[in-house]
Amino acid sequence: DTEVTQTPKHLVMGMTNKKSLKCEQHMGHRAMYWYKQKAKKPPELMFVYSYEKLSINESVPSRFSPECPNSSLLNLHLHALQPEDSALYLCASSQDTTGGNYGYTFGSGTRLTVV
Amino acid sequence: GENVEQHPSTLSVQEGDSAVIKCTYSDSASNYFPWYKQELGKRPQLIIDIRSNVGEKKDQRIAVTLNKTAKHFSLHITETQPEDSAVYFCAATYPGQNFVFGPGTRLSVLP
Repeated sequence: DTEVTQTPKHLVMGMTNKKSLKCEQHMGHRAMYWYKQKAKKPPELMFVYSYEKLSINESVPSRFSPECPNSSLLNLHLHALQPEDSALYLCASSQDTTGGNYGYTFGSGTRLTVV
Repeated sequence: GENVEQHPSTLSVQEGDSAVIKCTYSDSASNYFPWYKQELGKRPQLIIDIRSNVGEKKDQRIAVTLNKTAKHFSLHITETQPEDSAVYFCAATYPGQNFVFGPGTRLSVLP
């Protein structure tokens, strides 16, 4: 299995809702990432997990809460989001813990719309 | 920290022509340079990468060149086809540094 699987593919949520995005990989990668991508922009790093521990939090608002239950799974819990949080949320994984020497494998993303 | 610039921001070529996208980086410690292709509504996909100990790498119609002295690297696509139309992102990184992406180039291959 050489893929990163993300669910759901599309999500519409109200500003008072709580929802979760899920990501799964079975490539034995030990680094997993959450990226946010706005239209016509490059992916923007949100969180990095290395060996199931949060290693980087790029000053992301607390309404985004990541979780790494095990080495294959990554979740992003969403609460009290704002319309400007609407974007494509991409999960990625890499063999190297820093992603510094190997390419990332990206999931297909969750297109999130906050209404 | 690392900063990656990418040019041009948009590029239109006739089918069968070549396309070249250039990126410059600022941190001389960067030693890994991947290129990602993102079709509309899809995930970024790694299409080719190059490490700092290599000056050029080729994979069929795609090639990447690296000039460490000038701190720039380029993506070359020959015999372009309509399915090459996408946004291309370059990135630069080194161990301990997460990817820094360029702003992207929207390539349109006109039939």
